Amino acid sequence: RKEVEQDPGPFNVPEGATVAFNCTYSNSASQSFFWYRQDCRKEPKLLMSVYSSGNEDGRFTAQLNRASQYISLLIRDSKLSDSATYLCVVDDSWGKLQFGAGTQVVVTP
Amino acid sequence: EAQVTQNPRYLITVTGKKLTVTCSQNMNHEYMSWYRQDPGLGLRQIYYSMNVEVTDKGDVPEGYKVSRKEKRNFPLILESPSPNQTSLYFCASSPQGQTNYGYTFGSGTRLTVV
Repeated sequence: RKEVEQDPGPFNVPEGATVAFNCTYSNSASQSFFWYRQDCRKEPKLLMSVYSSGNEDGRFTAQLNRASQYISLLIRDSKLSDSATYLCVVDDSWGKLQFGAGTQVVVTP
Repeated sequence: EAQVTQNPRYLITVTGKKLTVTCSQNMNHEYMSWYRQDPGLGLRQIYYSMNVEVTDKGDVPEGYKVSRKEKRNFPLILESPSPNQTSLYFCASSPQGQTNYGYTFGSGTRLTVV
């Protein structure tokens, strides 16, 4: 079983709409959670950290559910430039980050 | 500008010909790591280093070597490349070896072994 699992998508979203997707993780001892954004075959870039209380950064909202061991990302008012693959990243409690395979989001005009 | 620099960006080589992919960071980060990314598998860690002269295996170390003689450099060495090492490689660094800061990635090296 993979440590971090994501729906690969693609999630096709009309411009201006809201899209949300989850990621599940297997290690209940994990302490650090992130969402990264990766454009086609480019390097992943940190989008936001995910905190226990949930956090928001502009149009992006991240939530953590420790009981069910998942994190979520919600994008409001989607822009064409939001089209990318979103990587869920979780620490393995041994000092290393584990990456999900990514969820592809395609925002259409 | 704070960055992680990888070279080369693209490389086509033949089976068995030793190669080195360089990685350098200018942020004084202690932690550095190499990943490979293959379709549908996400990023898999090859090797990592917590500091100078401290390296350890990641999830897929077979066929790779690394060294960390200086804080800023963390080269990835393929002594005898094989076609199954064709992949997109990323170097990453992080301060203090702590995961809560996230990683900064290099631009990637697309390697093809024929």
